[in-house]
This record gives sequence, structure tokens and C-alpha cells, in this order.
Amino acid sequence: GQQLNQSPQSMFIQEGEDVSMNCTSSSIFNTWLWYKQEPGEGPVLLIALYKAGELTSNGRLTAQFGITRKDSFLNISASIPSDVGIYFCAGQLRETSGSRLTFGEGTQLTVNP
Amino acid sequence: DAGVTQSPTHLIKTRGQHVTLRCSPISGHKSVSWYQQVLGQGPQFIFQYYEKEERGRGNFPDRFSARQFPNYSSELNVNALLLGDSALYLCASSYRQPFATNEKLFFGSGTQLSVL
Repeated sequence: GQQLNQSPQSMFIQEGEDVSMNCTSSSIFNTWLWYKQEPGEGPVLLIALYKAGELTSNGRLTAQFGITRKDSFLNISASIPSDVGIYFCAGQLRETSGSRLTFGEGTQLTVNP
Repeated sequence: DAGVTQSPTHLIKTRGQHVTLRCSPISGHKSVSWYQQVLGQGPQFIFQYYEKEERGRGNFPDRFSARQFPNYSSELNVNALLLGDSALYLCASSYRQPFATNEKLFFGSGTQLSVL
């Protein structure tokens, strides 16, 4: 089946630093999404990307849909303590009758004040 | 407006038992999907339902089944529970048709299932 390679697995940074994480796939996806999950909660949608090459921002977050449709990255600028959590990339494949998300393994982000 | 609601929030079962998990989508959303998240991993797709019809099934055994009701709420059933079924079960809803562009999935907080 399809697999997403997400890196890095974890990051320990100081408040104010910028963060970058990425996902690569062996297969093409129609859509890339980035989610953040905190303990005891479900994933919360941060950014959705629908076209190859698309660059989208949401506040301090910026994500891009790779030209090959097999990769995506997420940047967080000027990190703050509330950015702590697990960030997941997800590729969406639309099939004839439905769609499904394939998730990466997650990037655990720790921000030191 | 309420988000995706799931019940119960936590559940403890023993091997061989059966469990039913429930999900209410965001008002106006007609598509519901179920995902299993094992500790330390990303969620894995189990089922998708749209307009009460199954639109997709992940690589899970037949012990897993689901259905969607006329009010678009959904149930996930798991029979003959195994220790390996212990996980966070997430429900997600979407406004658009599953195969439409610009589809976005919104997740509930999940049901934490522990099988002893």
C-alpha cells in the first residue's frame, strides 16, 4: 500500500525559531493536508493543498504541494510554546466512489520557552 | 456549532468481546469516515460512508463493520476483539462528496479503546 515518509520524527527548538518538516510518497496524491494533534484530541486541520505547486499560508504556517505531487512541506515561523504537538501530513487519493487519507508517522514538536 | 462528536470517550473491553462506537458529524456534513490510530503512529483509514452507502474500505479484517444512519450519524462495530485492536478510533466528517475536489476532513476527539 501507499506509504508516507515524514521527517523529522521529532524536533526540539527554542521559542522564536523557525521549523520545517516534510513528507514524501512513492505515489501521487490529489490533495495534501497538514494536521496538528495534541494529547487526548483528534487531528485538527491546519492547511489543505489542492494543486501541484500550490503554496498556501495560514498565519505563521506555510505549506507547499510538490510539483511531482509526491511531496509536501510545512514551515512554521517564529515558533511559540503553543505550537507544541504532533504534526501529521496526509495525502488524499480520490477514487471512483470515495476518498481516503494516508497519514505520515508524525513529527513531534517541542518548543522551549 | 458543534464539531464532530464521538461516544464514548473511553472504553475498556476484554478479548473476544464486541464494541460499538458512535459518531455524529458536523451539522450539514453527509460523509463520515473512520480511522484507527495506534499509539505513536498516524491514523489509518478503516471506512468511508456517504449518503448511507459505503464508499471505501481500508485493509481491516471483516471483524470491523460500520453503517451510516439517515441522520448521517455512524456506528463502527468491532467483533471478537483482540489485544491489537487497542487504539484511538477517530471519526471524521466532510461536507463535500468524497470524490469532490476541495474536500476537507474534520476529526472528532476519538474513542480510546483498551482491550485487556
